[in-house]
Amino acid sequence: DSGVTQTPKHLITATGQRVTLRCSPRSGDLSVYWYQQSLDQGLQFLIQYYNGEERAKGNILERFSAQQFPDLHSELNLSSLELGDSALYFCASSPADGTYEQYFGPGTRLTVT
Amino acid sequence: DAKTTQPPSMDCAEGRAANLPCNHSTISGNEYVYWYRQIHSQGPQYIIHGLKNNETNEMASLIITEDRKSSTLILPHATLRDTAVYYCIVRVWGGGSGNTGKLIFGQGTTLQVKP
Repeated sequence: DSGVTQTPKHLITATGQRVTLRCSPRSGDLSVYWYQQSLDQGLQFLIQYYNGEERAKGNILERFSAQQFPDLHSELNLSSLELGDSALYFCASSPADGTYEQYFGPGTRLTVT
Repeated sequence: DAKTTQPPSMDCAEGRAANLPCNHSTISGNEYVYWYRQIHSQGPQYIIHGLKNNETNEMASLIITEDRKSSTLILPHATLRDTAVYYCIVRVWGGGSGNTGKLIFGQGTTLQVKP
């Protein structure tokens, strides 16, 4: 158990819909990262927040957005969903900003039908 | 961050040592070697990292060559639960401007531990 929690574990929704994925980092960790893992793309970095502020962006679609709240939990919002958005979405946390080791949550499996 | 090259797959007998190689010939002096693994569809798991000295923890050992152009992750007594994809990642360690924490995963090595 990494100490990072993600909800829900599974999500099935239809194209065009909007969903919110939630992540609670390890106690005391200030940085949260979101990754997407699809069958054809592998593990890809989406976005990082550090202490409430956006820190880095990867190849995140404009339909996707994220935020980190004062209690440090984070949410990833996916809108206008397409079939290709079906993937595993992982959240990770680390103690600070920078290249420290990251601890990953169990992931949310999103299926868009 | 420097590029890494890993074999796509390896087999290992249960109870034997698993030696996973990684080439990183363009590594810079301030870049560390990190290893993560992902057991089927679970979140990736941090294993170990090092700069130039050999490192050991409760999970594995990391051997880095003197020229730092390659490294080997060693699982001393592999079990069936070590079957996973292992990722070697090279990056600068620590904080500071420009050192964002994003991890860039390659294809990794799929290690199959067999009974």
